[in-house]
Amino acid sequence: DTAVSQTPKYLVTQMGNDKSIKCEQNLGHDTMYWYKQDSKKFLKIMFSYNNKELIINETVPNRFSPKSPDKAHLNLHINSLELGDSAVYFCASSQGLAGGPTDTQYFGPGTRLTVL
Amino acid sequence: QKEVEQNSGPLSVPEGAIASLNCTYSDRVSQSFFWYRQYSGKSPELIMSIYSNGDKEDGRFTAQLNKASQYVSLLIRDSQPSDSATYLCAVNGGYQKVTFGTGTKLQVIP
Repeated sequence: DTAVSQTPKYLVTQMGNDKSIKCEQNLGHDTMYWYKQDSKKFLKIMFSYNNKELIINETVPNRFSPKSPDKAHLNLHINSLELGDSAVYFCASSQGLAGGPTDTQYFGPGTRLTVL
Repeated sequence: QKEVEQNSGPLSVPEGAIASLNCTYSDRVSQSFFWYRQYSGKSPELIMSIYSNGDKEDGRFTAQLNKASQYVSLLIRDSQPSDSATYLCAVNGGYQKVTFGTGTKLQVIP
């Protein structure tokens, strides 16, 4: 059983389109995250949710909107896609709030988004 | 100034040698420190976490933390070709946010 799963694994789309990436975790964790990893492998946090409540919202364009329907799911919707949005997007989860021994983050397999 | 800094490498070591990976961070209130390994095309996976000054050992891996110097390192003893990957240092600087470094690419030469 996959602990953190993401769909789709690959996403190729045209500029200006709207797309969504889904994430689910079956670990019973309270906190979920979205990270963006660019071509230089820099992993940058975008959002985190704890018990469906938004905790972290980094400097991310408004075109990106996370949605957490329940504790086990955190989806990412992107409007009006731009070339610079091309990257690998990782979902992750942890039991706690990323500060202590319970806060190991478990990452999903990633979604490689290519905007043409 | 970057919050978490790592040498991007590649760091090349012969098989069986000790690989030493270093990381510095800027936020003095940081309390939690993590080393993740990421194989090419895969997701990061946790290798070690460390919260107190000193050394923490787990098998062939040793994490070292020096909060006064704002420095954390990872030693890999008896390096194997399967250790070839990018190693990401991550630091919790408070506010429930973990900041990652840009990673050091390690190549273990058979």
